[in-house]
This record gives sequence, C-alpha cells and structure tokens, in this order.
Amino acid sequence: DVVMTQSPLSLPVTLGQPASISCRSSQSLLYRDGNTYLSWFQQRPGQSPRRLIYQVSNRDSGVPDRFSGSGSGTDFTLKISRVEAEDVGVYYCMQGVYWPPITFGQGTRLEIK
Amino acid sequence: QVQLVESGGGLVKPGGSLRLSCAASGFTFSDHYMSWIRQAPGRGLEWISYITSSGSATYYADSVKGRFTISRDNTKNSLYLQMNTLRAEDTAVYYCARDPDTTNKVDYWGQGTLVTVSS
Repeated sequence: DVVMTQSPLSLPVTLGQPASISCRSSQSLLYRDGNTYLSWFQQRPGQSPRRLIYQVSNRDSGVPDRFSGSGSGTDFTLKISRVEAEDVGVYYCMQGVYWPPITFGQGTRLEIK
Repeated sequence: QVQLVESGGGLVKPGGSLRLSCAASGFTFSDHYMSWIRQAPGRGLEWISYITSSGSATYYADSVKGRFTISRDNTKNSLYLQMNTLRAEDTAVYYCARDPDTTNKVDYWGQGTLVTVSS
C-alpha cells in the first residue's frame, strides 16, 4: 500500500500568518496519463471533509485563493497564504493512483495560536 | 448541487449486522464510481470500499473484506453498505463519497452516519 506521511501533525498559526503542510507519498503519484493525482481535503470541526485541491494544484470551486497546492512525484505541499479563523480544522492529503486501497495522510490539525 | 445523504447508522452489538444507505442527488448517479470511507472517533480517514458505476466491480480494504458488501441501485440513485460480523473497531462515522472521474477518486462527501458497535 502507498503510505502518505503528513507533517506537522499539529500546526498552531497566528491569524493572518501563512501556514504550510507537507505530504509525502511512498511512491511517485505521477500516473501513466501524465497527471499527478494528489488531493487535499479540509475537515472543519463537526463537519464532513471537503475537497480543496485536486491534481496537486487545482483549486475546487468556491475555495479561497489563499489556498494553494504544489509539488510533484512524492513531495507535496498545501499552503495557506494568510490564515483565517474559518481555516481551523484537520487537513488530509489523499492519493488515488495506487488502489485499492485509496490512502490518506494521518491529518494535520491547524489551530489558531 | 451534489447531495449525498447517508442513513442507517446506529448502535449494534458485536457480531451483529447493519445496512447503510446513501441517497444521491444533483448529478447523474449512474455515471459515477462511489466509495465508502469511515472515520473512527478522534481518528483519521480510512477508505473501505469502492464500486464501479455499473456495480459490476467492487473493491474492499483488508480490514472489512469478507464482512462488508458494497452495492448500488442506479434506478434509485442509491449506494449501500451491508456490514456483517461487526466488531468494536468498526465503530466510526461512515461517509459515502463520489468519484468525479475514476482518477481523482473522491470529490463530494455526505454528512456521515455514526455506527457504534458495543455490547
């Protein structure tokens, strides 16, 4: 199984400051079609997950542009340019290239300092 | 807009059975593969099952293989998860999720339904 490793697992951030979450996969997520299938999800407290980013860097509709994704191969990053109170929650990366199983990172809990 | 609404969760004794349902709307259900993903209390996300758009192929995590069965009824826009021989470690919120295009695997999620396995 492909292992997804996120860091840090806990991320205290001051409002208005940037935040960065790393996700590493145990195998390259570059698919034979030339695309890389790495997604990021946000789970606010008490809510179901919501996809923010797909194929490394494509923002979903309605996702603020302060969220951005980057990376290639096995190393990926989710960045928030200026953290707002509504960004509190847990962030997960996910790969869908090598399945089954579809695998998620352990989650990174973002909190306001 | 895409909506996924799970139901059927509840309290069940170890060794018991439960059937979850997911009602889909706002998109052409029969065009999409679907997943069940669960989240134990205070834990991360665990994919457990996946079904093709026609229902002709199904896939399972090792943790549920042989005990859980995923199915769908495209005439009713519904996804199901039959859970047998339940264990305490199956206690979780169960989400159904849509696959947008068979490669990105997951986009929309339902609100989840809680399954508690306890005597």
